[in-house]
Amino acid sequence: EIVLTQSPATLSLSPGERATLSCRASQSINNYLAWYQQKPGQAPRLLIYDASKRVTGIPARFSGSGSGTDFTLTISSLEPEDFAVYYCQHCNKEFTFGGGTKVEMK
Amino acid sequence: EVQLVESGGGLIQPGGSLRLSCAASGFTVSFNFMTWVRQAPGKGLEWVSIIYSGGDTYYADSVKGRFTISRDDSKNTLYLQMSSLRAEDTAIYYCATTGGAALDYWGQGTLVTVSS
Repeated sequence: EIVLTQSPATLSLSPGERATLSCRASQSINNYLAWYQQKPGQAPRLLIYDASKRVTGIPARFSGSGSGTDFTLTISSLEPEDFAVYYCQHCNKEFTFGGGTKVEMK
Repeated sequence: EVQLVESGGGLIQPGGSLRLSCAASGFTVSFNFMTWVRQAPGKGLEWVSIIYSGGDTYYADSVKGRFTISRDDSKNTLYLQMSSLRAEDTAIYYCATTGGAALDYWGQGTLVTVSS
């Protein structure tokens, strides 16, 4: 069973700052990793799939990178609407989610 | 336009049973994989179950033997039959499916509360 570990649990930043979120897999998952954003009271929204492919309509300030076991979601310059919880996810017949990183306003 | 609408949640006593539904529109459920994901109050996302287009099903260890996923192609609807419910099953239950990338589409969720 693959385990995804996200860090940090909470990131306190100001608008305009760069956010770097990490997701580490317990074994190699090639590039089969997705990232989701969730705001309070809403369903998650897919941002990135296959580690680095941005979903249509997602702003270019969101980027994903990595392969194997180490992955990163970068938000180049935080906008007020980006403060939310972010989850990484992998699927190999069954799904696995990371524990989430909350990006909060400093 | 793809839409997923969950229903069937509510308050249920421990040990009870409940069936959740997820009505789909804009696509055919039998052509995609369909999955249930839950979120306990204040907690993260937890994958629950998946049914593939060919009919194969998989479950999280936490619900194996108690939950059953199925679909009705004639109604274009996904189901989750939940039995032997426990307090720790209390959560918002989302259905989700792919648009070719990952979990591209999500419903709004339905709340299940297991409490006496």
